[in-house]
Amino acid sequence: QLQLQESGPGLVKPSETLSLTCTVSGGSISSSSYYWGWIRQPPGKGLEWIGSIYYSGSTYYNPSLKSRVTISVDTSKNQFSLKLSSVTAADTAVYYCAQQDYDILTGPNWFDPWGQGTLVTVSS
Amino acid sequence: EIVLTQSPATLSLSPGERATLSCRASQSVSSYLAWYQQKPGQAPRLLIYDASNRATGIPARFSGSGSGTDFTLTISSLEPEDFAVYYCQQRSNWITFGPGTKVDIK
Repeated sequence: QLQLQESGPGLVKPSETLSLTCTVSGGSISSSSYYWGWIRQPPGKGLEWIGSIYYSGSTYYNPSLKSRVTISVDTSKNQFSLKLSSVTAADTAVYYCAQQDYDILTGPNWFDPWGQGTLVTVSS
Repeated sequence: EIVLTQSPATLSLSPGERATLSCRASQSVSSYLAWYQQKPGQAPRLLIYDASNRATGIPARFSGSGSGTDFTLTISSLEPEDFAVYYCQQRSNWITFGPGTKVDIK
C-alpha cells in the first residue's frame, strides 16, 4: 500500500524559503505511471495545486506560483521536494504531497493517495 | 485559468437522504474532472475520476456524471460518515480545484 509522508520545518520566517520533502513508501517514485504533486490548503480554506514532477525531473507548476516554486526529485531516496521562496503569511497552509495518475496520451490527472499533510506557518 | 464553481456552498441533509452536488467549469474540461471528500483534520480522498469512474474502494452510493462544463456528484443515501466537504478538480488546463461544498447534518 503506497504511503506518502511530508516532512520539514513547521515554522518559516517571512521572506525566507519554505522547504518540504515527501517520502514515498510501498512503491517506487520511478514508476512511469505517475507524477508526484504538491497541494496546499490555507487554514479553513480550499485546495490549491502548487506543482508536480515526474521521476525524470520533468515539472509543471501553477502559473500563479511558478516564479517562487522549485520541485525536485531524488529517485535514490524515493523522495521529492518542494521549495517555495520569499514566503509571506499568505503561504501559511497545510501542505500535502500526493501521487498523481499519469496517462501518456492525456497527461497528469487526479491525485491519489495523499500524505497526511503538514502545517507550515509563516511568522517572525 | 479554468475556474470551478461549486454549489451549493453548504448542503444540510439527514442520513438516508440523497445528496446532489454541482460543479461548473468556466470552460469545457471534457470529462477531465475528479471529486474528493475531505473530513476535518484529514487529507482529501479521491472519490471519482474522469467525471464518472469510482476510485478503488469507494462505495457504490457515490456516483458522478457530466461532461463539458457541468458535473454532478450524487450520494444516493447519506451515511453518517459521508458528512464532509467535497471538492471537484479539473486537469484539462493546468490543475484547479473548486471551493468545495460542505455536506452537514440537518
